[in-house]
Amino acid sequence: AQSVTQLDSQVPVFEEAPVELRCNYSSSVSVYLFWYVQYPNQGLQLLLKYLSGSTLVKGINGFEAEFNKSQTSFHLRKPSVHISDTAEYFCAVSDPGNEKLTFGTGTRLTIIP
Amino acid sequence: KAGVTQTPRYLIKTRGQQVTLSCSPISGHRSVSWYQQTPGQGLQFLFEYFSETQRNKGNFPGRFSGRQFSNSRSEMNVSTLELGDSALYLCASSLGGIAGTGELFFGEGSRLTVL
Repeated sequence: AQSVTQLDSQVPVFEEAPVELRCNYSSSVSVYLFWYVQYPNQGLQLLLKYLSGSTLVKGINGFEAEFNKSQTSFHLRKPSVHISDTAEYFCAVSDPGNEKLTFGTGTRLTIIP
Repeated sequence: KAGVTQTPRYLIKTRGQQVTLSCSPISGHRSVSWYQQTPGQGLQFLFEYFSETQRNKGNFPGRFSGRQFSNSRSEMNVSTLELGDSALYLCASSLGGIAGTGELFFGEGSRLTVL
């Protein structure tokens, strides 16, 4: 069975500082990996995805993530955060051809002015 | 292109009642999935429908059921509501089938409060 671990439940960061949100997954097969963002009282919005190919994936709002197969990680990074990045971020994994996502527990990113 | 639409957005029920939530997927999407989000359990997969057939099911009791219509719209039903069913219920649609990549597009959710 797949599982996703987001070790940090909360991450406070000063505005314009860099941030890394960590995600590790457990799966015995090839996987698709995703990062979603949830703003208050809203649904989830896709930030970026890894399906295959280049291990460095660029997404919306200046975010990027790197797939590391040997470490089974898919950490999310942004070089300079803004107040508007305050939200909860979810890492998720699925099997190719399977529409079921397994989510991590989420990381709440708080930007300090 | 319209996004995923969920109705109602908010509702309050009492224990023992039942509730039906509706989801209209993005045009052309044939797969609809449902997730329950709570502060304690996070995002939990309920079930997924593709072309009117349930293709995947999560670990929820039989009180939770769903269906998909020929136009891909989906409903989920929860019978004999319990306090613990209070949650945000999220619907997501995707292309599904061999064209599917697992990329889900989520609605804004239906927030259910059980008193």
